[in-house]
Amino acid sequence: DQQVKQNSPSLSVQEGRISILNCDYTNSMFDYFLWYKKYPAEGPTFLISISSIKDKNEDGRFTVFLNKSAKHLSLHIVPSQPGDSAVYFCAATEYGNKLVFGAGTILRVKS
Amino acid sequence: GAGVSQSPSNKVTEKGKDVELRCDPISGHTALYWYRQRLGQGLEFLIYFQGNSAPDKSGLPSDRFSAERTGESVSTLTIQRTQQEDSAVYLCASSLEVGVGYEQYFGPGTRLTVT
Repeated sequence: DQQVKQNSPSLSVQEGRISILNCDYTNSMFDYFLWYKKYPAEGPTFLISISSIKDKNEDGRFTVFLNKSAKHLSLHIVPSQPGDSAVYFCAATEYGNKLVFGAGTILRVKS
Repeated sequence: GAGVSQSPSNKVTEKGKDVELRCDPISGHTALYWYRQRLGQGLEFLIYFQGNSAPDKSGLPSDRFSAERTGESVSTLTIQRTQQEDSAVYLCASSLEVGVGYEQYFGPGTRLTVT
């Protein structure tokens, strides 16, 4: 039973355009959400997070939106750059200890 | 400063053998986590340690899996009588404390292949 789902296995975007990665969750007890980025042969690195009391958090080119009623979050990258090409994982947690991850979305930014 | 390190980076073992995977967390981090990632799937929580508290083992898939941590330093994950379904990348992470807002820093992982 997947509690966190990323339904798009891959996404291809032109350099300079917006990348939108989506994530859905089922457990209403989750109250903190994170996005991690992973390059091949490396561990995931933290990108941005959002608490359930907010609906938006912004950090430079990265913005995460949370829709609690729909149990949906999205990551926007504007403008997309070739170096953003990686696997992006959505994760959720109730207490900040165990992270529950989605299966990931491969983002390819074409120059 | 040094990040989380794991060894070995790759391990190939025969079905039925025991394996030990090692994790060196970031110095000063009180919390240490183990996850695994099977091919095409997301990371799956296995176990975490917080200071001297009893570890949360709720994610361990079977009693063939165990982990230890010495104080706030090195941790080893042991898989006994390995099976082919144990093949995965095993990732270790550490954080300053446990809780919302304390980022988990991941190591590069150990790729385990059971033949």
